[in-house]
Amino acid sequence: KNQVEQSPQSLIILEGKNCTLQCNYTVSPFSNLRWYKQDTGRGPVSLTIMTFSENTKSNGRYTATLDADTKQSSLHITASQLSDSASYICVNSGGYQKVTFGTGTKLQVIP
Amino acid sequence: DARVTQTPRHKVTEMGQEVTMRCQPILGHNTVFWYRQTMMQGLELLAYFRNRAPLDDSGMPKDRFSAEMPDATLATLKIQPSEPRDSAVYFCASGLLSTGLGEQYFGPGTRLTVT
Repeated sequence: KNQVEQSPQSLIILEGKNCTLQCNYTVSPFSNLRWYKQDTGRGPVSLTIMTFSENTKSNGRYTATLDADTKQSSLHITASQLSDSASYICVNSGGYQKVTFGTGTKLQVIP
Repeated sequence: DARVTQTPRHKVTEMGQEVTMRCQPILGHNTVFWYRQTMMQGLELLAYFRNRAPLDDSGMPKDRFSAEMPDATLATLKIQPSEPRDSAVYFCASGLLSTGLGEQYFGPGTRLTVT
């Protein structure tokens, strides 16, 4: 069974601090690994997309890493801001746009 | 600023009633996806279309759900009859398969409550 597991389930950090979110996946075959940010009441917005040959990709203060051997990905947020408060969803795609979503990490950044 | 639009944004209905949700994909996109999101299950793929043809609807309860694309600018998801367990947020997303990576752009969602 394809699974995408994320940890932690929720996280509270102080504004300005860094944090790292984890994602373990078992989807096969592997096409790409995505991280989405979902604000409350909104649809998910793509942060990064990586193929199996990429091991890091950045988007501003967001940096995603991928280890295809261990089937792990992480999303690192640098110098967090209050606007980073959201759910972060890891998504693994197999062929033909088959997608498996993680249940997300809910991040709260407090002043 | 191209966006996926969905209507209605909120829908409250009684059990047994028909519900139709609409989605306008981004102009030029050739893939459309329907997702359902609940607190318990997270995001689940219900169905997706490529060039208006249904490619996979295995995530959708066939007895009550149906998804169609009458034209390239409109996708619909219908539930008949609706049940309380259908209460969720339904997202539509569109993408352009030719990009290779299958980037998907999500709409704002339709929040459905079935009482």
